[in-house]
Amino acid sequence: GDSVTQMEGPVTLSEEAFLTINCTYTATGYPSLFWYVQYPGEGLQLLLKATKADDKGSNKGFEATYRKETTSFHLEKGSVQVSDSAVYFCALRRTDSSYKLIFGSGTRLLVRP
Amino acid sequence: DTAVSQTPKYLVTQMGNDKSIKCEQNLGHDTMYWYKQDSKKFLKIMFSYNNKELIINETVPNRFSPKSPDKAHLNLHINSLELGDSAVYFCASSQQAGPAYEQYFGPGTRLTVT
Repeated sequence: GDSVTQMEGPVTLSEEAFLTINCTYTATGYPSLFWYVQYPGEGLQLLLKATKADDKGSNKGFEATYRKETTSFHLEKGSVQVSDSAVYFCALRRTDSSYKLIFGSGTRLLVRP
Repeated sequence: DTAVSQTPKYLVTQMGNDKSIKCEQNLGHDTMYWYKQDSKKFLKIMFSYNNKELIINETVPNRFSPKSPDKAHLNLHINSLELGDSAVYFCASSQQAGPAYEQYFGPGTRLTVT
């Protein structure tokens, strides 16, 4: 079945470091891909998305490119801030009639000053 | 204005009890969802309703029953609560059920079963 695999966390970085959180997926068809962020004590917020191959989603300095050939959607940011500390979820949305969102297990990011 | 709201935010109850969690969205969306997030932060869909019709029903114990009185509300009723039901439950909504429609999440309800 469809699935999303994320790198294990936690990821600990110093402020202004470069961030990469790996995400790969398995899916039939051509799913849409998403990154969600969950700040402590809050619900999930959509960070960025891409709906077809080679699309690049970007928001708040974060970027991810839909790579069909490697079935990946890695999240990157050039310079992280303490306020980026959160749990990041990669997700795919199926294109069959269910349109289910399938999440990865989440990667906790901790940014130290 | 809160787009997707859930009540209560915290719920502590004993095994065997029956409880409900309510969800309301004021976005005019057609589709609503319930997700369960376990202690390891893993998030999994439970149910989805589109225009008050059930469209996703994952392998969830039948002690869990969703109810959608109208498009703006999707409530979750849980019978005979068990320790393993302890989790954070998130409600979400999207404009439609299509693949590119963003899902907006509520703040979550932390259920603790003792």
